[in-house]
Amino acid sequence: GAGVSQSPSNKVTEKGKDVELRCDPISGHTALYWYRQSLGQGLEFLIYFQGNSAPDKSGLPSDRFSAERTGGSVSTLTIQRTQQEDSAVYLCASSFSGGRETQYFGPGTRLLVL
Amino acid sequence: TQLLEQSPQFLSIQEGENLTVYCNSSSVFSSLQWYRQEPGEGPVLLVTVVTGGEVKKLKRLTFQFGDARKDSSLHITAAQPGDTGLYLCAGAGSGYALNFGKGTSLLVTP
Repeated sequence: GAGVSQSPSNKVTEKGKDVELRCDPISGHTALYWYRQSLGQGLEFLIYFQGNSAPDKSGLPSDRFSAERTGGSVSTLTIQRTQQEDSAVYLCASSFSGGRETQYFGPGTRLLVL
Repeated sequence: TQLLEQSPQFLSIQEGENLTVYCNSSSVFSSLQWYRQEPGEGPVLLVTVVTGGEVKKLKRLTFQFGDARKDSSLHITAAQPGDTGLYLCAGAGSGYALNFGKGTSLLVTP
């Protein structure tokens, strides 16, 4: 597609359930980022993938969060045993080669944990 | 830790007015970016400033990077309802992840 796509666009889940969020980056982009945007907060960096290198997971808030990127393209962010404080908009971005390249953002997945 | 502080947090003005949004930090950034985000969408890059003292213009929007590369401002002249949105500044340090401010929510009414 022309831009970064994310699915689902909205997700409502119950506390304690696991959720998977998907990101399809722009074709040809080797770098992929996940951010979290909570109400009244700026975007918080979660994880970064660059090519075949080991991902930088330094922004993941707890071990309930994990992400993978298969085949250097699609990425899945998984949140296990969701908590109410996980409610936020999860944004994915991709860039051509990482570094200082422009990051293009997807529309986000709005997660609500009841 | 919020490295970038944006002010004001909220701004409601009438069409035709001018406004300035500020982005301040105690940290030095190699570059600083401004994004605009509309409801239900991801942020869209408006501009990147790299050099201390740099001024960039994008139609009615003027962006300035402080001499010390710690702060920036966004000035909008003759605001229009289409300018409504969340304006985010983001600084790039030594790494690749961007450090975002909390944003300024702008509402321009006709």
